[in-house]
Amino acid sequence: NAGVMQNPRHLVRRRGQEARLRCSPVKGHSHVYWYRQLPEEGLKFMVYLQKENIIDESGMPKERFSAEFPKEGPSILRIQQVVRGDSAAYFCASSPPTGGAGNEQFFGPGTRLTVL
Amino acid sequence: AQSVAQPEDQVNVAEGNPLTVKCTYSVSGNPYLFWYVQYPNRGLQFLLKYITGDNLVKGSYGFEAEFNKSQTSFHLKKPSALVSDSALYFCAVRAYGDDKIIFGKGTRLHILP
Repeated sequence: NAGVMQNPRHLVRRRGQEARLRCSPVKGHSHVYWYRQLPEEGLKFMVYLQKENIIDESGMPKERFSAEFPKEGPSILRIQQVVRGDSAAYFCASSPPTGGAGNEQFFGPGTRLTVL
Repeated sequence: AQSVAQPEDQVNVAEGNPLTVKCTYSVSGNPYLFWYVQYPNRGLQFLLKYITGDNLVKGSYGFEAEFNKSQTSFHLKKPSALVSDSALYFCAVRAYGDDKIIFGKGTRLHILP
């Protein structure tokens, strides 16, 4: 079974451009989470999605950031009008729909965004 | 609100010695506790979890962790460290009924040859 796939692995954008980060969860997983990791810091929760629904976006900045997990296709984290402070590693994780809160999350390799 | 504290930014241990990486948590109700490891330029890998039952949990690569409810701790341990254990370790907690996992800041473990 393939694990969580993220692409691109590295993304370079100039200030003001848009960044699109993609995440394909483990096959059969319907829960997707996005995290941001700044250099030398831990992971900060951003958003939790299930198919076609945003369940919890309490960690997402109110402006410029959006996320979706459509019925078909990968989950997308979109950052509009990027600024240098958006430079970070963005990790996606997935978990299965059953088993409750005891399920561990499976992480992708991350997308490293650099804003010039 | 739930939170996780990893009081040590870095832990240095000589190869072959036992290691401990500390973690304390704060959560309402029963916690679900996790340890993850991150190698350079990689995603997080799951090591072990505590859900219920035996307070001593065994996980991958010879790691184990002990849940201590009275001290609200979940320290990660290994009897004999390997150089290859050098990595960044994250403790995480999830409250019963909550959706998201809250991560600590991480502890960098250096195993000295």
